[in-house]
Amino acid sequence: GNSVTQMEGPVTLSEEAFLTINCTYTATGYPSLFWYVQYPGEGLQLLLKATKADDKGSNKGFEATYRKETTSFHLEKGSVQVSDSAVYFCAFSGNTGKLIFGQGTTLQVKP
Amino acid sequence: ETGVTQTPRHLVMGMTNKKSLKCEQHLGHNAMYWYKQSAKKPLELMFVYNFKEQTENNSVPSRFSPECPNSSHLFLHLHTLQPEDSALYLCASSQEGGGDQETQYFGPGTRLLVL
Repeated sequence: GNSVTQMEGPVTLSEEAFLTINCTYTATGYPSLFWYVQYPGEGLQLLLKATKADDKGSNKGFEATYRKETTSFHLEKGSVQVSDSAVYFCAFSGNTGKLIFGQGTTLQVKP
Repeated sequence: ETGVTQTPRHLVMGMTNKKSLKCEQHLGHNAMYWYKQSAKKPLELMFVYNFKEQTENNSVPSRFSPECPNSSHLFLHLHTLQPEDSALYLCASSQEGGGDQETQYFGPGTRLLVL
């Protein structure tokens, strides 16, 4: 069935380190792909999205490329900041148009 | 600020209480959603409303009762809850049939504790 698999957290990095959070999905067809971020005490915010193969979504220094051949949408950032500490959710739009979320990956950035 | 507001932000209730959660979206969307977020579990979609009509109920217990009086407002009525219902309840909205239809915009959530 439809599912999203994210790397287990927490991910702990020092400030200015390179970030990768892996995400793979199982779906029929060619869904749109999303990364949402949840800062402490808040709801989910859309971080970036990609709607077709080879599209690259980007926002606030974060990037992710829609890889159809590997069914992946890995999140990357070249230099993380303490303020990037949050929980990151990968998601895709299922057959019914509803979002299917991964379990979330906690990122902790230390100064 | 995403354009989706939720009240209250925090709620403590006993198992015999009745309370309601409120969600309001200021984005002109026509679809609204309730999600439950528990610790160490994926987000659980509870209910979906399109054009004020409920289109999805993911086997949610009857002690949760949604209400959508118009496309801008969504309620979740709670009664005789259990301690395991303690969670963060998130509301979201989207524009079905529009160019950005797959993107959902979330409120800040209501943190619920059932004693």
